[in-house]
Amino acid sequence: DTGVSQNPRHKITKRGQNVTFRCDPISEHNRLYWYRQTLGQGPEFLTYFQNEAQLEKSRLLSDRFSAERPKGSFSTLEIQRTEQGDSAMYLCASSVRTGDYGYTFGSGTRLTVV
Amino acid sequence: DAKTTQPTSMDCAEGRAANLPCNHSTISGNEYVYWYRQIHSQGPQYIIHGLKNNETNEMASLIITEDRKSSTLILPHATLRDTAVYYCIGGSETSGSRLTFGEGTQLTVNP
Repeated sequence: DTGVSQNPRHKITKRGQNVTFRCDPISEHNRLYWYRQTLGQGPEFLTYFQNEAQLEKSRLLSDRFSAERPKGSFSTLEIQRTEQGDSAMYLCASSVRTGDYGYTFGSGTRLTVV
Repeated sequence: DAKTTQPTSMDCAEGRAANLPCNHSTISGNEYVYWYRQIHSQGPQYIIHGLKNNETNEMASLIITEDRKSSTLILPHATLRDTAVYYCIGGSETSGSRLTFGEGTQLTVNP
């Protein structure tokens, strides 16, 4: 297992289009997190899953955003009707247990909305 | 989550120790101090964490003051590959397991 994998690495889309990103966590990790990072800022928490259950969502996660982790393994993050303000790096991380802050992050998906 | 304060940027000579400070005066008794770093265009990387005692691993040492209001991350022999943004984070189980990143310290290791 080589770590957390995110696809695609880069995505350019036109405003108004829908996009979907995929995250494959480390296989034995039951917790999965999504973060968003804009230039010059630290990552901002979006949501996290324990197995297939989505346990917390940030207020940043507007109704255009939806995340799933259907079988408790990989996760998808979909953004509908993209806006230019959605341009950012979307980071996925996983961890093995409750309270374990030794998260392993993926390399992220960079979204550019034109 | 505890609010943390870090210098915006620091420089260090290659081969020397890099000492990165962090103030977390509002940290509560059950909150750990975590350090992550982010090399350009990569995801953050976990470095080390501690509660009260000093900690050391293969990457770094963490020195926490007795009153827990501040800490220092030490990279004993900095290399050019240690150039990154370093984040100090306070967090606990009750924060819902989310990490709250600030803007971090940009460490530049110079040859």
